[in-house]
Amino acid sequence: DTEVTQTPKHLVMGMTNKKSLKCEQHMGHRAMYWYKQKAKKPPELMFVYSYEKLSINESVPSRFSPECPNSSLLNLHLHALQPEDSALYLCASSLDRGTYEQYFGPGTRLTVT
Amino acid sequence: QKEVEQNSGPLSVPEGAIASLNCTYSDRGSQSFFWYRQYSGKSPELIMSIYSNGDKEDGRFTAQLNKASQYVSLLIRDSQPSDSATYLCAVFAGGTSYGKLTFGQGTILTVHP
Repeated sequence: DTEVTQTPKHLVMGMTNKKSLKCEQHMGHRAMYWYKQKAKKPPELMFVYSYEKLSINESVPSRFSPECPNSSLLNLHLHALQPEDSALYLCASSLDRGTYEQYFGPGTRLTVT
Repeated sequence: QKEVEQNSGPLSVPEGAIASLNCTYSDRGSQSFFWYRQYSGKSPELIMSIYSNGDKEDGRFTAQLNKASQYVSLLIRDSQPSDSATYLCAVFAGGTSYGKLTFGQGTILTVHP
């Protein structure tokens, strides 16, 4: 089973709102990732967690705040977003932070109004 | 120079033909290579991974890797309309980018009946 789940599927939020995206996997993977994907572009890495610790932050603005409460869960807290932050937000996981295959969840389609 | 480059599309092939997708990468230290398929509005789906020089076959898909030429390709035999999607080449590099998957811009494939 290579399933990564994400909630919600769609999210519309205003620029003053606070919301969170959730990602879950039960494959025993120890690395989890957040990507952002704009239309007709490839996924762009935002954060990497390895063994529940943040190991890569790709200079993402502080209005995006990741959290890894345990090895199966990954959250992305959103605050004071801009309309240009509207995108598909993808979570992925892999066995480890190494050369292993990354499996993507279905994504959350975020619209900032 | 882009780190991962894919042959410019879109690529259109008739049903039953072989579709050939190509990718070159700049980092000689790259260790792992992946092909993802992404249907419009969906998340990327891993279809092939390859780690060593040569060919790897999985059903109608064959991945080919030539590290000396820094080249990886994906062949789809007996193409079907359901293969119509964007194909993303992804490369895992080591060094300071450890843990980061770098994607090409994608090639849009259309298989027409």
